[in-house]
Amino acid sequence: EAQVTQNPRYLITVTGKKLTVTCSQNMNHEYMSWYRQDPGLGLRQIYYSMNVEVTDKGDVPEGYKVSRKEKRNFPLILESPSPNQTSLYFCASSLKVGHDLSYEQYFGPGTRLTVT
Amino acid sequence: GQNIDQPTEMTATEGAIVQINCTYQTSGFNGLFWYQQHAGEAPTFLSYNVLDGLEEKGRFSSFLSRSKGYSYLLLKELQMKDSASYLCAVRVIDTDKLIFGTGTRLQVFP
Repeated sequence: EAQVTQNPRYLITVTGKKLTVTCSQNMNHEYMSWYRQDPGLGLRQIYYSMNVEVTDKGDVPEGYKVSRKEKRNFPLILESPSPNQTSLYFCASSLKVGHDLSYEQYFGPGTRLTVT
Repeated sequence: GQNIDQPTEMTATEGAIVQINCTYQTSGFNGLFWYQQHAGEAPTFLSYNVLDGLEEKGRFSSFLSRSKGYSYLLLKELQMKDSASYLCAVRVIDTDKLIFGTGTRLQVFP
């Protein structure tokens, strides 16, 4: 089954304790992205990657790191989590878009993170 | 700058038709997506428009006017399961970046 998986689905942690949220897709997609979703703010992009070893900042990258060593995996790293990073996080992937193509992004099930 | 506006909430009755509007101001427009998101779940793709006009997919249709920076999602024969948030997202050329609106929460009543 074609899918994007994220782990863990739920995480409660304390300020300053490094954590990693994994994201994996089995569709051979070039493009992967991380979003956070907060009430009243919608989905905001944290980082994205257009292919292996290529990553770029989105709109809210502060406090996050990513890596893209393999095509299928795109982990999100919080080196020193803070309470303002409490949010619902989504990973997404898609085929790399040509100018005329309409490839939609497929989203993972989400990771609800609470930082106390 | 990039800006996407859509109503925060809408209500409708089962069996009715509802239109959810989205206006946008972006540089490098390369298509507009509509996603459906049930509470606590992942967004799922509904429709895509890159050229002006109407795209129809069953009970759902989406319209785009690039000159006006305007799109709408039309839902017909509403069902209770259509109660969800509907997200408008604009793709930016060259980066595949999607910029999302804050979403419209639709409640369908019997």
